[in-house]
Amino acid sequence: GNSVTQMEGPVTLSEEAFLTINCTYTATGYPSLFWYVQYPGEGLQLLLKATKADDKGSNKGFEATYRKETTSFHLEKGSVQVSDSAVYFCALSDQETSGSRLTFGEGTQLTVNP
Amino acid sequence: NAGVTQTPKFRVLKTGQSMTLLCAQDMNHEYMYWYRQDPGMGLRLIHYSVGEGTTAKGEVPDGYNVSRLKKQNFLLGLESAAPSQTSVYFCASSRSGSSYNEQFFGPGTRLTVL
Repeated sequence: GNSVTQMEGPVTLSEEAFLTINCTYTATGYPSLFWYVQYPGEGLQLLLKATKADDKGSNKGFEATYRKETTSFHLEKGSVQVSDSAVYFCALSDQETSGSRLTFGEGTQLTVNP
Repeated sequence: NAGVTQTPKFRVLKTGQSMTLLCAQDMNHEYMYWYRQDPGMGLRLIHYSVGEGTTAKGEVPDGYNVSRLKKQNFLLGLESAAPSQTSVYFCASSRSGSSYNEQFFGPGTRLTVL
């Protein structure tokens, strides 16, 4: 079946530090890959997505590249801000096996200190 | 546009009590989903619906029932609540069943079962 594995958290960084959150996946088909972000007390919202191999998703300074050869979709940001403190979820949907249904990773709590 | 709304926001139940969580969306989306979020486990799909009058089981359906009598509403019922159902519940919707489509999430319902 499909699965998503994220790096264990929590992650604590100082403002302006470089961020990487690792995500690897297992899927039987050709999945679309997503990063969702959950700010404190809120629901999830889409941060970025990539729908085929070698695509790069980007938004708000965050980037992730769909790497089929390493089955990875690592999230990066060059300079984090306090406002980036949130929980980040990697997810996939696989048209062949599950359509639009999402399979989520465990989530990574990011705290950015001033 | 309110997007996806959920009621109530918080609820405390005693073991054996029943309740219904309401999800409403104003985006004319076909697909709707119910997830539960537990610490360290990401989000897990409970039930979903591919259109008005349809429902299907997700990953963790036991102990829950759902109904989609109107396209804009998706109800999640707990007939006899158990402490294991203490969780945060999120509703989501998407335009179609394509794996490319973003899911839009509500703000969540925090349920405690004593």
